Amino acid sequence: GDSVTQMEGPVTLSEEAFLTINCTYTATGYPSLFWYVQYPGEGLQLLLKATKADDKGSNKGFEATYRKETTSFHLEKGSVQVSDSAVYFCALSDQRGYSTLTFGKGTMLLVSP
Amino acid sequence: NAGVTQTPKFQVLKTGQSMTLQCAQDMNHEYMSWYRQDPGMGLRLIHYSVGAGITDQGEVPNGYNVSRSTTEDFPLRLLSAAPSQTSVYFCASSARTGEVEAFFGQGTRLTVV
Repeated sequence: GDSVTQMEGPVTLSEEAFLTINCTYTATGYPSLFWYVQYPGEGLQLLLKATKADDKGSNKGFEATYRKETTSFHLEKGSVQVSDSAVYFCALSDQRGYSTLTFGKGTMLLVSP
Repeated sequence: NAGVTQTPKFQVLKTGQSMTLQCAQDMNHEYMSWYRQDPGMGLRLIHYSVGAGITDQGEVPNGYNVSRSTTEDFPLRLLSAAPSQTSVYFCASSARTGEVEAFFGQGTRLTVV
């Protein structure tokens, strides 16, 4: 079946540091790829998405590119802020719909001033 | 705009008790799903629905029942609660076409003692 593997955390950075969170996937067909973010005590929010190979998703300074040749969707941000501290989930969806997702285990990001 | 609403937010059950977690969405979304979130495990799909009257099992369906009598509501039933069902439960919905995004509720934190 489908699976998503993302780097384990926590990732601890100082403010304005560069962020990379690695994500690779295994899937049949052509899934859509997502990064969701979860702030403490809240549900998940869509951060960015890509629906086909070579698409780049971007939002709030975060970026990720759908790389079919390496089955990857790594999340990057050039300069993190304290407010970016959260848990980040890489996920994919298949033909069952965009709310039927296979998630990675999540990566906690902690940004200090 | 309410989005996806889950009730209750917190619940404590005794082993063997039954209960229903409620989920309602006001976006006229065809697709709805239930997940459980456990530490170090990410989110795992319990059951999902692609429309009223249609449900199917996800990755971890044992011990849970669902039904979908209306487009808006997708309740999750625990028939006989077990300590292994202690978790945070999230409901999500998405449109069949158009928006490439799942919308999540705020979650229900369930403790089974």
